[in-house]
Amino acid sequence: DIQMTQSPSTLSASVGDRVTITCRASQTITGWLAWYQQKPGKAPKLLIFQASSLDSGVPSRFSGSRSETEFTLTISSLQPDDFATYYCQHGWTFGQGTKVEIK
Amino acid sequence: QVQLVESGGGVVQPGRSLRLSCVASGFTFNNNGVHWVRQAPGKGLEWVAVIWHDGSKEYYADSVEGRFTISRDNPKNTLYLQMNSLRAEDTAVYYCARDRGKYGWDAFDIWGQGTMVTVSS
Repeated sequence: DIQMTQSPSTLSASVGDRVTITCRASQTITGWLAWYQQKPGKAPKLLIFQASSLDSGVPSRFSGSRSETEFTLTISSLQPDDFATYYCQHGWTFGQGTKVEIK
Repeated sequence: QVQLVESGGGVVQPGRSLRLSCVASGFTFNNNGVHWVRQAPGKGLEWVAVIWHDGSKEYYADSVEGRFTISRDNPKNTLYLQMNSLRAEDTAVYYCARDRGKYGWDAFDIWGQGTMVTVSS
């Protein structure tokens, strides 16, 4: 089975910071990777699909990219609404999650 | 309004059964694969099962294979999860989620609000 290793598990940042979260696959996969944002007590929300396509209504400060087996979610300028937990997903496997906290 | 609404959660004793439902609205239900995803308290997301748009194929996580059954009634716009032989480790919020494609290989673009299942004596 393909394993998805997400890092870091926790990230402390300030409003306005550029934030990068990484998801590494245990083997080469197609570009079918998605990123989700989840806030406490709420369902996950799709941000990016197919590694780099922004879902409808998602702010343009979110972007996704791919290099070999490494996928990256970038928030160009962190906003107060962005403090949440982020998950990557490939097929039926989710990463462990990255909690973005206020520094 | 495109939405999924789950129901059927509750407290159940180990070894007993429970059936969850997920009603879809605002889109053509039989166009998409649909999943169940769960989240244990304080933990990450765990995929549980998927069913193809026409109900012809189902796949399960190893942790629930043989105990859980996913099904759908397209005329009723409803997804189900029959959970048998429940264990304490099945305690979680259960979400239904729509796949962007027909066969469950793509991203999950619409999620329900979740329903809590607690397995405890």
